[in-house]
Amino acid sequence: GDSVTQMEGPVTLSEEAFLTINCTYTATGYPSLFWYVQYPGEGLQLLLKATKADDKGSNKGFEATYRKETTSFHLEKGSVQVSDSAVYFCALVHSTGGGNKLTFGTGTQLKVEL
Amino acid sequence: KAGVTQTPRYLIKTRGQQVTLSCSPISGHRSVSWYQQTPGQGLQFLFEYFSETQRNKGNFPGRFSGRQFSNSRSEMNVSTLELGDSALYLCASSLQGSSYNSPLHFGNGTRLTVT
Repeated sequence: GDSVTQMEGPVTLSEEAFLTINCTYTATGYPSLFWYVQYPGEGLQLLLKATKADDKGSNKGFEATYRKETTSFHLEKGSVQVSDSAVYFCALVHSTGGGNKLTFGTGTQLKVEL
Repeated sequence: KAGVTQTPRYLIKTRGQQVTLSCSPISGHRSVSWYQQTPGQGLQFLFEYFSETQRNKGNFPGRFSGRQFSNSRSEMNVSTLELGDSALYLCASSLQGSSYNSPLHFGNGTRLTVT
């Protein structure tokens, strides 16, 4: 079956540091890939997505590139802020017949300190 | 535009009881999905409804059920509660039926505690 593997957290960084959160997946066919973010006490928000190989999703300074050859979708940001502290989830869904049945990774907590 | 609304925000129930959670999607959204979030298992898909029909189902026992009404509002029911059902239950809605072209919008969840 489908699965998503994320690096374990928590990840603790100083403000303005470079961020990478690794995500790899196992799936048949050509899934669409997502990063969601969850702030304390809230539901998930879509951060960015990519629907085919070599697509780059980007939003709020975050980027991720769909690499089919390495089955990866690593999240990066050049300079993190305290306000980026949250839990980040990598997820996939099949573009045909998948509906909204997303498979999520276990989440990576990011803590950014001054 | 109002977001996805889940009620109640918190629930405390006893083992063996049943519970009903409610989700009101964003106006115009026809798809509603439910997810269970626990520290050990992470986010797991429960089921999805689209235009009042269940379209996808996760690997949960039959004690977990749901339905969707004609106004797209959805309810989730869990019968014969077990301690392991304690979790944050998240509802998500989308305009169309597939998140690859229509993003999911999540509610803030219902925190269920079973004692």
